Amino acid sequence: DAGVIQSPRHEVTEMGQEVTLRCKPISGHDYLFWYRQTMMRGLELLIYFNNNVPIDDSGMPEDRFSAKMPNASFSTLKIQPSEPRDSAVYFCASSREGGYTDTQYFGPGTRLTVL
Amino acid sequence: QKEVEQNSGPLSVPEGAIASLNCTYSDRGSQSFFWYRQYSGKSPELIMFIYSNGDKEDGRFTAQLNKASQYVSLLIRDSQPSDSATYLCAVDNNNDMRFGAGTRLTVKP
Repeated sequence: DAGVIQSPRHEVTEMGQEVTLRCKPISGHDYLFWYRQTMMRGLELLIYFNNNVPIDDSGMPEDRFSAKMPNASFSTLKIQPSEPRDSAVYFCASSREGGYTDTQYFGPGTRLTVL
Repeated sequence: QKEVEQNSGPLSVPEGAIASLNCTYSDRGSQSFFWYRQYSGKSPELIMFIYSNGDKEDGRFTAQLNKASQYVSLLIRDSQPSDSATYLCAVDNNNDMRFGAGTRLTVKP
């Protein structure tokens, strides 16, 4: 299996611009997670989906952030408008099943820099 | 109080020694516990998970869980320079996954 695929791997944009990050989970995995990692705050869960349905978005920092999962093989995380404090590495992860038995597999991440 | 606490390190051990990484958590309802390894500039990769009190061994790695003390640890036997990385403790309560800040481990040849 190719693992979790994320694109782009690097994104540099200017403040105020819209940013879209993309993720393809491992085939057959029913859960998809979006994380953000910074030096200051570590790894934070933003939102997760089960069978394409958003379950918990309490970690989404504010209304500028939105996530969608139109089908089982694709998800997007959008930031509009972007701000310098959004600069971070954004990881997508997927797992086969949820609950306490889940094991999450991470994608390579997208390093976002907002100037 | 942070939900998942780890000593940030750096922890330095000589090659061949045992490295001991510790983690405490605040949510008593937590059900599953994970150790991830993250090399610099890379994504976290799962090393071990543990659900029940006691020890779980996998090769050179042993995870230890004590739910009463809200404590989980990772022992790395016969440490190798390739084990040098940041180790993240993660605690899950029904898909509410919380990560510690990580402990940076350096294994010196």
